[in-house]
Amino acid sequence: AQSVAQPEDQVNVAEGNPLTVKCTYSVSGNPYLFWYVQYPNRGLQFLLKYITGDNLVKGSYGFEAEFNKSQTSFHLKKPSALVSDSALYFCAVRDRRNTPLVFGKGTRLSVIA
Amino acid sequence: SQTIHQWPATLVQPVGSPLSLECTVEGTSNPNLYWYRQAAGRGLQLLFYSVGIGQISSEVPQNLSASRPQDRQFILSSKKLLLSDSGFYLCAYEELPNTEAFFGQGTRLTVV
Repeated sequence: AQSVAQPEDQVNVAEGNPLTVKCTYSVSGNPYLFWYVQYPNRGLQFLLKYITGDNLVKGSYGFEAEFNKSQTSFHLKKPSALVSDSALYFCAVRDRRNTPLVFGKGTRLSVIA
Repeated sequence: SQTIHQWPATLVQPVGSPLSLECTVEGTSNPNLYWYRQAAGRGLQLLFYSVGIGQISSEVPQNLSASRPQDRQFILSSKKLLLSDSGFYLCAYEELPNTEAFFGQGTRLTVV
């Protein structure tokens, strides 16, 4: 069965510093990996995905994620955090098309001015 | 372009009352459709998904049900709500061959 782990409930970072939100996964085959962001009382917004190809994936709002097959990780990164990046971030995985996404429990990012 | 509509945005219902939440998608055909529930602002629990009209898969046994009467309409229902049904309900769709899902704005349900 596929699963996702986000080991940190909360990440705090100062504005202008780089940020990393961690995600590890478990699937039986090749993973399809995703990051989403959620602002209070809103639906999830798609940020980026990894299907195949380059291990470094660039997405919306300056976010990027690095796929590491040997470590089964897909960490979300941004070189310089903004206060407006403060939100709840979800990592998700599926092992093939036409199957539901499985989400991690989320990591709350707080960027402090 | 595709859009997803989910309503109502908020709902307060008494215990034992029925529930009907509706989700519709525009600008696409034969999407995969999903209902998730989010408790206490944290993880998402998959409730139902559908890959076509009348095809519903249930992930968690409970007093909720789902129906897909039309290609782009997905309805979440209950005959009698429980206090534990309170939460934030999210509908999502995806259009193959794309692999990412797109979410509605959610319905916050409070059962009192």
